[in-house]
Amino acid sequence: DTEVTQTPKHLVMGMTNKKSLKCEQHMGHRAMYWYKQKAKKPPELMFVYSYEKLSINESVPSRFSPECPNSSLLNLHLHALQPEDSALYLCASSQESGQGVPYEQYFGPGTRLTVT
Amino acid sequence: AQSVTQPDIHITVSEGASLELRCNYSYGATPYLFWYVQSPGQGLQLLLKYFSGDTLVQGIKGFEAEFKRSQSSFNLRKPSVHWSDAAEYFCAVGFYNNNDMRFGAGTRLTVKP
Repeated sequence: DTEVTQTPKHLVMGMTNKKSLKCEQHMGHRAMYWYKQKAKKPPELMFVYSYEKLSINESVPSRFSPECPNSSLLNLHLHALQPEDSALYLCASSQESGQGVPYEQYFGPGTRLTVT
Repeated sequence: AQSVTQPDIHITVSEGASLELRCNYSYGATPYLFWYVQSPGQGLQLLLKYFSGDTLVQGIKGFEAEFKRSQSSFNLRKPSVHWSDAAEYFCAVGFYNNNDMRFGAGTRLTVKP
């Protein structure tokens, strides 16, 4: 099973709402990632979790709050977002690269977020 | 800073024609290079990767890429393009002892019938 699943597929939220994006993988990967992708742009790394601990935070605003409850699950909690946060949010997972060569990342289909 | 550059924003080829997408990297040490493909509204799928060894790498869907250290390039090729290959293609670089990965700007491929 090389699948990364993400829910929901689409999300529309107001600027005062609180919502969460969910990501799940069952490949035994110990690194998980959140990316933000605007239209016609490459994915931009937001967060990396390694062994359920936050290892990289790319100076993301605090209105985005990641959580890794266990090795298979990754959440992104959203609060007080701005319209410019509308984008495709991609989750990915990989074997942990901390001891050597980087491993390929497996991506989910993404959540299309619209902030109104 | 380590990075990859994709010089072509958009390429159009006829179905059945050959394809080459360019990728140049800037990295002091041994680069770890990847090509991903993204269909509209979808996630990214790995086509192939290069870590070391044979400089010609075979991937899925009939794609191959050649690593050329002298030219700092890792170009993606396909001998005969199919209409289903129309998508966005991203070159990416990974780093030793680090989970970070950086993507190029992407090249959008259009396939003419």
